[in-house]
Amino acid sequence: GQQLNQSPQSMFIQEGEDVSMNCTSSSIFNTWLWYKQDPGEGPVLLIALYKAGELTSNGRLTAQFGITRKDSFLNISASIPSDVGIYFCAGQPNSGGSNYKLTFGKGTLLTVNP
Amino acid sequence: DADVTQTPRNRITKTGKRIMLECSQTKGHDRMYWYRQDPGLGLRLIYYSFDVKDINKGEISDGYSVSRQAQAKFSLSLESAIPNQTALYFCATSDTSYRETQYFGPGTRLLVL
Repeated sequence: GQQLNQSPQSMFIQEGEDVSMNCTSSSIFNTWLWYKQDPGEGPVLLIALYKAGELTSNGRLTAQFGITRKDSFLNISASIPSDVGIYFCAGQPNSGGSNYKLTFGKGTLLTVNP
Repeated sequence: DADVTQTPRNRITKTGKRIMLECSQTKGHDRMYWYRQDPGLGLRLIYYSFDVKDINKGEISDGYSVSRQAQAKFSLSLESAIPNQTALYFCATSDTSYRETQYFGPGTRLLVL
């Protein structure tokens, strides 16, 4: 099946620092999504990307759909303590009839030290 | 009010018991999904439904069944719970197929003793 490599697995940063994480795939994706999950809660959609090269912001968050359609990154600027959580990427493969299916990364655990 | 709700939020049960997890949505989406989340394994798809008369198995459907009672309701049943079904369970919804964007519920934490 499809594989998404998400890195890094975890990050420990100081408040105010910028953060960058990315996902790569061996195959082409039509859609890239970024979610955040707080402990004991469901993933919340942060940013959705639908076109190669697309760059989208949501407050201090910026994400890009890679030109090759095989990767995406998420940046968080000026981190704050409430940014703590697990960040997941998800992609919709370009595979015809299976167009419902999202493939998920394993997540990046972000810890912000006040 | 939340667009996707799940009940119960937490459940403890014993091996061999049948339990049902419920999901309701007010987003008006046609598509609904059930996932389980385990540490280190990420989200895995159990079942999905594109409309009320459509049910499809996901990656890990063994030991589970589902019912799509209405467009807004999708329930997951564990016919005879076993300890390795201890996990976080999430319901999700989406509306169109090409621009697949899924929205998740808050989850049910299940412990099977």
